[in-house]
Amino acid sequence: ETGVTQSPTHLIKTRGQQVTLRCSSQSGHNTVSWYQQALGQGPQFIFQYYREEENGRGNFPPRFSGLQFPNYSSELNVNALELDDSALYLCASSPPGGADSGANVLTFGAGSRLTVL
Amino acid sequence: AQSVAQPEDQVNVAEGNPLTVKCTYSVSGNPYLFWYVQYPNRGLQFLLKYITGDNLVKGSYGFEAEFNKSQTSFHLKKPSALVSDSALYFCAVSLSGGSARQLTFGSGTQLTVLP
Repeated sequence: ETGVTQSPTHLIKTRGQQVTLRCSSQSGHNTVSWYQQALGQGPQFIFQYYREEENGRGNFPPRFSGLQFPNYSSELNVNALELDDSALYLCASSPPGGADSGANVLTFGAGSRLTVL
Repeated sequence: AQSVAQPEDQVNVAEGNPLTVKCTYSVSGNPYLFWYVQYPNRGLQFLLKYITGDNLVKGSYGFEAEFNKSQTSFHLKKPSALVSDSALYFCAVSLSGGSARQLTFGSGTQLTVLP
């Protein structure tokens, strides 16, 4: 089975620009979530998508938005980039099922490293 | 709000010695607890989880963790460390129910196993 793949792996943007990051979920997984990992810190939950709708969001402003497609792949969009948006962006997918099953074990991609100058 | 504390930024241990990476949590309700490991230029890899049941949880690569409700801790342990265990370890918590997949991570502990 393929894992979670993310693209691009690295990118550099300037302040005020917009960026789109892409994620293909692991085969059989229908829930996708995005995390931001700043240098030297743990990942922070941005939002989660299930059935093509956002169904959970962390403490991030509206300029962070996302999409999930019928094949369960996902995009993260960030508008009006700020210097503090520089981070590793991690996508994670999880399978269907109740929380007491294996469904809450996240499979992470290798991430997209964004640098904002 | 839920939170996780990993009080040690760095843990050094000699190969063959037991290792412990500490984690405490704060949550309103029944926690789901996780340990993930991150190698350089890689995503996070799942090690083990506590949902309910036995307080001692066994996971991948010989790691185990003990859930202690009274101390709100979930320390990661391994009886005999390997050099290949050197990596960045994250403890995470979520709540049961609809937000079970929304993890709150600690700041991470860099484990170095010395040969």
